Amino acid sequence: AQSVSQHNHHVILSEAASLELGCNYSYGGTVNLFWYVQYPGQHLQLLLKYFSGDPLVKGIKGFEAEFIKSKFSFNLRKPSVQWSDTAEYFCAGSGNTPLVFGKGTRLSVIA
Amino acid sequence: KAGVTQTPRYLIKTRGQQVTLSCSPISGHRSVSWYQQTPGQGLQFLFEYFSETQRNKGNFPGRFSGRQFSNSRSEMNVSTLELGDSALYLCASSLGGLRIPGETQYFGPGTRLLVL
Repeated sequence: AQSVSQHNHHVILSEAASLELGCNYSYGGTVNLFWYVQYPGQHLQLLLKYFSGDPLVKGIKGFEAEFIKSKFSFNLRKPSVQWSDTAEYFCAGSGNTPLVFGKGTRLSVIA
Repeated sequence: KAGVTQTPRYLIKTRGQQVTLSCSPISGHRSVSWYQQTPGQGLQFLFEYFSETQRNKGNFPGRFSGRQFSNSRSEMNVSTLELGDSALYLCASSLGGLRIPGETQYFGPGTRLLVL
C-alpha cells in the first residue's frame, strides 16, 4: 500500500537555525506531494504542493521543498526558523491513489 | 470574506447512532474535501467533492458518505457510529482543486465528534 513516512517525530531548533524535515513516499509513477502545517490553536494550512515541473517548490512563509524522484523524497526546508514556526508539519502524497498523510513532525523553536 | 465554516463544532453521540456534519465553503469555491484527524491514525483523507460530484475517495468503509449541494455546501454522514469514529473532522475548500497552479485550500475549524 502507498505510504508517506516522516521519520522525525519531534524536532527542536533554536531560532535562526536551518530546518529540514524529512518526507519519503513509497510509490512510483505519477505522484502529487504536499506539506501542511498546523500551528497551535489554528486551522490546518497548506504550505506548498508539487504536481509536476520544477522539483523545487516554494511555498508560503518562506518554506520550500524539493522533490527528488530517485530518493522518493520531498523534504521541507527553511533557511532560518522563527519562534512562530513552532507547529506540527504533515507531509502528504497521492498518485493514482487517495491522498495519504504522514504521521506528522512536531517542530519546537526555542529562543 | 468569510472562511470555511463547519457545524456543529462539537458533538456527542452514542454507538450505533448516525451523524451528519456540515461544511460551508468560502464563497465561490466549488471543491470541498473532508478529512479525519485522530491521535492514533493521524490525518486521513475521506473524500473530495467538486460541483456536486465525488471526485476522490479515501479508504473508509461505506458507513462514511458525503454529498455536495448546488451551492457547494457539503455534508458528510457517518452511520452506525463506532467508538473509533471519535475524531476531529476537518473540511477544506478551494476554487477548483489543488491541481490548478497557484491554487490553495482553506480549512475550517473542524467538528469534534465524541462517540460514547
